[in-house]
Amino acid sequence: QSALTQPASVSGSPGQSITISCTGTSSDVGGYNYVSWYQQHPGKAPKLMIYDVSNRPSGVSNRFSGSKSGNTASLTISGLQAEDEADYYCSSYTSSSTLCVVFGGGTKLTVL
Amino acid sequence: EVQLVESGGGLVQPGRSLRLSCAASGFTFDDYAMHWVRQAPGKGLEWVSGISWNSGSIGYADSVKGRFTISRDNAKNSLYLQMNSLRAEDTALYYCAKDNYGSGRGDFDYWGQGTLVTVSS
Repeated sequence: QSALTQPASVSGSPGQSITISCTGTSSDVGGYNYVSWYQQHPGKAPKLMIYDVSNRPSGVSNRFSGSKSGNTASLTISGLQAEDEADYYCSSYTSSSTLCVVFGGGTKLTVL
Repeated sequence: EVQLVESGGGLVQPGRSLRLSCAASGFTFDDYAMHWVRQAPGKGLEWVSGISWNSGSIGYADSVKGRFTISRDNAKNSLYLQMNSLRAEDTALYYCAKDNYGSGRGDFDYWGQGTLVTVSS
């Protein structure tokens, strides 16, 4: 159950687009289309932003999009806004054990 | 409105036990898998354990396997985590999270506010 790999930090200016990567293996990200992305503001519970690689829950802005290629998933945020500044985590279902999930280490997004 | 309310956290000595509870409302509890996810102070999210809608599939992180036991009572709309042989590294905010699927795929669409567990002598 090794953690997925995310960059520790990314930054961008308002209006720009950024992409956060999430690299796993063929046992998790590459093997299933069950990759999710979460946004967490300080002191708050995480919020689901993307599920099943590229699906947005109701109420989540279409500025957020997800994709996957091989063992790497990506979250793209377009038209950056100040309120997007937060920590972002990816997760994936994994075959390492029954009903097993693994998270990435998290990425701190700074809006300059 | 979906609500998940955790309880049972507190200060406990190393080696002792604690039982967390999560009271669910606002959705058909026995249709969905449920999970526990923790976050140590200043650290990232760590999946702890998950249980399918009918308790037929259960999983644990390697870090808690053999010490923690997840269970659910669908009649009471409640999720539990029995934590034994607690260690300092188990200190964290423990979140209850609802899965988007009954079998459990790790899409956590609703989260509670968490209950804090502190393991210290």
